[in-house]
Amino acid sequence: DAGVIQSPRHEVTEMGQEVTLRCKPISGHNSLFWYRQTMMRGLELLIYFNNNVPIDDSGMPEDRFSAKMPNASFSTLKIQPSEPRDSAVYFCASSPPTGLYGYTFGSGTRLTVV
Amino acid sequence: AQSVAQPEDQVNVAEGNPLTVKCTYSVSGNPYLFWYVQYPNRGLQFLLKYITGDNLVKGSYGFEAEFNKSQTSFHLKKPSALVSDSALYFCAVRSISGGYNKLIFGAGTRLAVHP
Repeated sequence: DAGVIQSPRHEVTEMGQEVTLRCKPISGHNSLFWYRQTMMRGLELLIYFNNNVPIDDSGMPEDRFSAKMPNASFSTLKIQPSEPRDSAVYFCASSPPTGLYGYTFGSGTRLTVV
Repeated sequence: AQSVAQPEDQVNVAEGNPLTVKCTYSVSGNPYLFWYVQYPNRGLQFLLKYITGDNLVKGSYGFEAEFNKSQTSFHLKKPSALVSDSALYFCAVRSISGGYNKLIFGAGTRLAVHP
């Protein structure tokens, strides 16, 4: 298995532009998580899905952030409009149905908003 | 409420010396505990876990962790540190809420191994 695949690896965009981050979870994993990591705030859970349904989006910082999971093999995190304070590394992770195996993380998307 | 604490922001150790990265947890019921490592510009990688059984669990890269129920701790250890072990380490505990599993992560501890 190729693991959790995120794209793009790096994104540089101008303030006000729309940004879409993509994630392909591991086949057979039914939970998907989006995290944001910054030096100041550490690792923050933004939202997670179970069987493609959003379960908890309380970590989404503002209405500018939205996430979708249209099917079991694809999820997006969108920021519209983007702001410089959104600059961070965004990770996607997936996990199988039980709690026995933990998460598998993707390599992340480093977002820079200028 | 379930929580995880990593009391040290940074741990410094000389190469060849033993290392310990501390973690304490608070959870109802039996804990499922995990350690992850993050190397620069990489995602978090699974190191080891405790689910049940022997209190001393062994994982990748020569790391091990000891589950201590009475002290609610799950400290990460390695007998002899390598410079290449320098990274950010996260402890996590499984949480069940509304029938759904998720991991609660600690704030992370930066390990610096000096030659």
